[in-house]
Amino acid sequence: KNQVEQSPQSLIILEGKNCTLQCNYTVSPFSNLRWYKQDTGRGPVSLTIMTFSENTKSNGRYTATLDADTKQSSLHITASQLSDSASYICVVSAYGTDSGAGSYQLTFGKGTKLSVIP
Amino acid sequence: EAGVAQSPRYKIIEKRQSVAFWCNPISGHATLYWYQQILGQGPKLLIQFQNNGVVDDSQLPKDRFSAERLKGVDSTLKIQPAKLEDSAVYLCASSLGYRSGANVLTFGAGSRLTVL
Repeated sequence: KNQVEQSPQSLIILEGKNCTLQCNYTVSPFSNLRWYKQDTGRGPVSLTIMTFSENTKSNGRYTATLDADTKQSSLHITASQLSDSASYICVVSAYGTDSGAGSYQLTFGKGTKLSVIP
Repeated sequence: EAGVAQSPRYKIIEKRQSVAFWCNPISGHATLYWYQQILGQGPKLLIQFQNNGVVDDSQLPKDRFSAERLKGVDSTLKIQPAKLEDSAVYLCASSLGYRSGANVLTFGAGSRLTVL
């Protein structure tokens, strides 16, 4: 069964500090891994998407890494801001055939709730 | 471009009542998804449409949930009768397609349902 595990479940950091969120997955066959940011009361917004051959990708102060051998990913946030307070969800895409003639199925983690305090 | 529109944003009903949620995807997006997100959990796919056809509804509780996308554009998700455990945020998302591994989903703000 495809699974995505995220840690920590929640995290509180001071404004300006860095932090790293973890994602471990058992998804096969792997297609890509995405990180989403979900502000309270809003839908998730895509931050990065990485394929098997990519081991790092940045989006501003957000840097995602991927180790396809160990099936681990991390999201590093640099110089955190109050607006970074949100849930960060790791999503892994796998190629499947359950939904007709070939499609990509997404498995969502439960998210890490990040609180940045002044 | 306009985002994914959902309504209502909030709904409070009593158990055994019915409720309907509406979603209008991004123009030109052929694939539409309904997700259920229970507090503290990641989104769970309920149903996926490609144009007006159902691609995946394997996790939709069909005894009480139904969804349609009759003209291949906007969609309605209905719950009848509602149970306490249906309290959740119902997220609609859309994408250009689903056969590309790199398809990016754009989510709406969600409809928060509370069942008393």
